[in-house]
Amino acid sequence: ETGVTQSPTHLIKTRGQQVTLRCSSQSGHNTVSWYQQALGQGPQFIFQYYREEENGRGNFPPRFSGLQFPNYSSELNVNALELDDSALYLCASSLQGVDGYTFGSGTRLTVV
Amino acid sequence: EDQVTQSPEALRLQEGESSSLNCSYTVSGLRGLFWYRQDPGKGPEFLFTLYSAGEEKEKERLKATLTKKESFLHITAPKPEDSATYLCAVQGKGGANSKLTFGKGITLSVRP
Repeated sequence: ETGVTQSPTHLIKTRGQQVTLRCSSQSGHNTVSWYQQALGQGPQFIFQYYREEENGRGNFPPRFSGLQFPNYSSELNVNALELDDSALYLCASSLQGVDGYTFGSGTRLTVV
Repeated sequence: EDQVTQSPEALRLQEGESSSLNCSYTVSGLRGLFWYRQDPGKGPEFLFTLYSAGEEKEKERLKATLTKKESFLHITAPKPEDSATYLCAVQGKGGANSKLTFGKGITLSVRP
């Protein structure tokens, strides 16, 4: 049984650029959530996908968008990067959003 | 809106010195309360899920308990390898999604 895999592990981008982060969910899991974790803070919910549809969103602007594919893998896209977008981005998968979520190791995004 | 407060922010223990970490929460109908362990630069690692007041779960030196307003993570005779940040999260029953709302975490350092 494989866990949640995220790529890339680290990324440096310039303010104003766009970025795509990728996530492969744990085998058997059909729900994917994305979280942003700033340094010294707990993870903040960005959005969740179930059966390729977004079914919940946190307090993040529309320049944060995502996709879920038929194999349940997912992408997080961020447009017009700002310095405050620098954070650890975590992907979590679960079976229909119940019980424990399995997290990936995250992508460390630095915006300069 | 769901809220989670963890205390203390940081805790330093001597090896073998038992203690407890606190998680206070407010949620509109609790679906589950989760404890995660997070090592620096890594994703959260699942520890426990608690579903109802009075429930307790144990794993090695860790024991999690739940009341209607708070949860405790008791650490018995900790070892240096228990040093990490411990995150508490709640999942409410309301809404179409099943997001996790996290606290800021408690950074535990265990000295040999």
